[in-house]
Amino acid sequence: DSGVTQTPKHLITATGQRVTLRCSPRSGDLSVYWYQQSLDQGLQFLIQYYNGEERAKGNILERFSAQQFPDLHSELNLSSLELGDSALYFCASSVGASDTQYFGPGTRLTVL
Amino acid sequence: QKEVEQDPGPLSVPEGAIVSLNCTYSNSAFQYFMWYRQYSRKGPELLMYTYSSGNKEDGRFTAQVDKSSKYISLFIRDSQPSDSATYLCAMSASGGSNYKLTFGKGTLLTVNP
Repeated sequence: DSGVTQTPKHLITATGQRVTLRCSPRSGDLSVYWYQQSLDQGLQFLIQYYNGEERAKGNILERFSAQQFPDLHSELNLSSLELGDSALYFCASSVGASDTQYFGPGTRLTVL
Repeated sequence: QKEVEQDPGPLSVPEGAIVSLNCTYSNSAFQYFMWYRQYSRKGPELLMYTYSSGNKEDGRFTAQVDKSSKYISLFIRDSQPSDSATYLCAMSASGGSNYKLTFGKGTLLTVNP
């Protein structure tokens, strides 16, 4: 158990809908990262927050957004969902000045 | 050319074999190199972490980094069926608190009893 928690574990929804994925980092970690894992693209970095501020952006679609709250938990919002958004979404956290990222168990999103 | 290339396998070996997993990369700014293990339907788990070139050993696992060749390896000695998983290499450039990881696609390893 990495200490990173993610909810929900599974999410099934329809095209065009909006969902919110939640992540609680390990105690003491200030950085939160979101990744998307699909069979064809592998694990892709989406976005990083550090102590409430956006720090880096990867291949994140405009339909996706995220935020980190004062208690350091983070939410990833996915809107206007398409079939191709079906994937595993992972959250990771780190202390901040370290590359050691610890991953949560992931949320499996299925868009029908 | 992808930033990180990793042979997806699958790789199947008998129990007790020495396993060699490799990645190549193109971005010379990468300074930090990691290996993650991912069991089916689970989150990646950090196995090894190295900075710059050199070797690092942890039990049955040895990580090697050759920055001149842009090549990293993970060796597993005395492989066990419990080592069956997907192994992902990951790397990042240095700087501040921005440590986005770039992953290889992963190699699926099966260790047969």
